[in-house]
Amino acid sequence: TQLLEQSPQFLSIQEGENLTVYCNSSSVFSSLQWYRQEPGEGPVLLVTVVTGGEVKKLKRLTFQFGDARKDSSLHITAAQPGDTGLYLCAGPWRGATNKLIFGTGTLLAVQP
Amino acid sequence: GAVVSQHPSRVICKSGTSVKIECRSLDFQATTMFWYRQFPKQSLMLMATSNEGSKATYEQGVEKDKFLINHASLTLSTLTVTSAHPEDSSFYICSAKDRGTVLVEQYFGPGTRLTVT
Repeated sequence: TQLLEQSPQFLSIQEGENLTVYCNSSSVFSSLQWYRQEPGEGPVLLVTVVTGGEVKKLKRLTFQFGDARKDSSLHITAAQPGDTGLYLCAGPWRGATNKLIFGTGTLLAVQP
Repeated sequence: GAVVSQHPSRVICKSGTSVKIECRSLDFQATTMFWYRQFPKQSLMLMATSNEGSKATYEQGVEKDKFLINHASLTLSTLTVTSAHPEDSSFYICSAKDRGTVLVEQYFGPGTRLTVT
């Protein structure tokens, strides 16, 4: 069974701090995506990582795909209150690549 | 581009009634749409995959007679919650995959908050 475990589950930090969110699996994924969801809204795609070891930067957000393509991380530098939300990693189901399996989620609160 | 809309955004209904939720891809065609359910502060749970012109594929544990899905066109899928009960109260989100791309990304609608009283 493919599972994507995220850690931490909850994170409350002060504005300006750095943080890292992890997405781990025992399965290999052809790609992984990261989404951010704000309360009462649908998830918004942040990035897709495809190649093992790949690093992508999106302003203050840095995404990394593990060499073995079983894990990924999201690092936020100098967090801002606008970064508050639910962060979800997701990857295609093995054998049904149209479907996505979502991680367990990390709820981030950045206090001003 | 890649905008998905949902209607209504919020709905309150009485127990025993049915509610229809619409999901539209506004600027692309989607042969495949997905319906998710989400409980507060939790991740998304896939309910079913909606394929244009064919029957939906439901995930294990999801009652197909309870959650009716119709995908009548390349831009519209509907989810009807039949004989709704308070335990059906939840946040329902649809997503769509762009027909014109091989990428796996899905584009999500803003969600529908269903409250059954």
